[in-house]
Amino acid sequence: GAVVSQHPSWVICKSGTSVKIECRSLDFQATTMFWYRQFPKQSLMLMATSNEGSKATYEQGVEKDKFLINHASLTLSTLTVTSAHPEDSSFYICSARRLAEQYFGPGTRLTVT
Amino acid sequence: AQSVTQLGSHVSVSEGALVLLRCNYSSSVPPYLFWYVQYPNQGLQLLLKYTTGATLVKGINGFEAEFKKSETSFHLTKPSAHMSDAAEYFCAVSSISNFGNEKLTFGTGTRLTIIP
Repeated sequence: GAVVSQHPSWVICKSGTSVKIECRSLDFQATTMFWYRQFPKQSLMLMATSNEGSKATYEQGVEKDKFLINHASLTLSTLTVTSAHPEDSSFYICSARRLAEQYFGPGTRLTVT
Repeated sequence: AQSVTQLGSHVSVSEGALVLLRCNYSSSVPPYLFWYVQYPNQGLQLLLKYTTGATLVKGINGFEAEFKKSETSFHLTKPSAHMSDAAEYFCAVSSISNFGNEKLTFGTGTRLTIIP
C-alpha cells in the first residue's frame, strides 16, 4: 500500500512553454502533498507544500507564479512549470503524506531545450 | 533550523563487507530521523526511521541505524553488503516549516558503490 505515481516520468519541452506534472496517491487519500526538486548529484530541496482545497505554501526562494501548484482532490496534485527555461531542467519528485509519513513518487525528469 | 550532514559523498565497500554511512544532524527539538534510498532515476524509498523509543532502529534490506543523542548522529549500517545495495542514500530530519507544516530536510546524500 501507499503508492504514489507521477506522470510523465520524463518530458522535454522548449524554452518558453509550460509543462504540467501530475502526482497521484493511488491507494490512499492525501490531504498534504509535497513537491521537491533535485539537481544532478544533489539532495532534494522542498519547493512547496500542497494542501487539498487550499493554496500551496512555498519555501523561501521558490517563485509561486512560476511553479503553479494545484491540489484539487485528495489523490491528485499538479505542478505546472510556466514559461520554462533551461535552468528549470531538473528532477521533480512529489510525495504524499499518510499517517505522518511521506511516500515518494518515482520522479519526473524535465529537460528544457 | 534543522540541518543534516552526511560525511562522505561516495563510499565504496566490497561485497560482504560492513556498510557504514554517516549522518549527523542539528535540531533544536527532539528530532525525527530518516534514511531513504534512491535508485537511479527513481524516487525515494524509506529504509528506516526513528521517532521515539528504542534508539536502535531496524529497517528493510538488513539495514539498521542507531540514534545517539549525545553525538547527534544517526549512522546507517549493514553487516554484509550486497551488490543490490548500490544506490544513493539520504539521511533526513523532520521539522516544522515557517508555515506550520512539517518538512523533511535532507542531507546531500552518499553514493554507495559495491565492489564485487
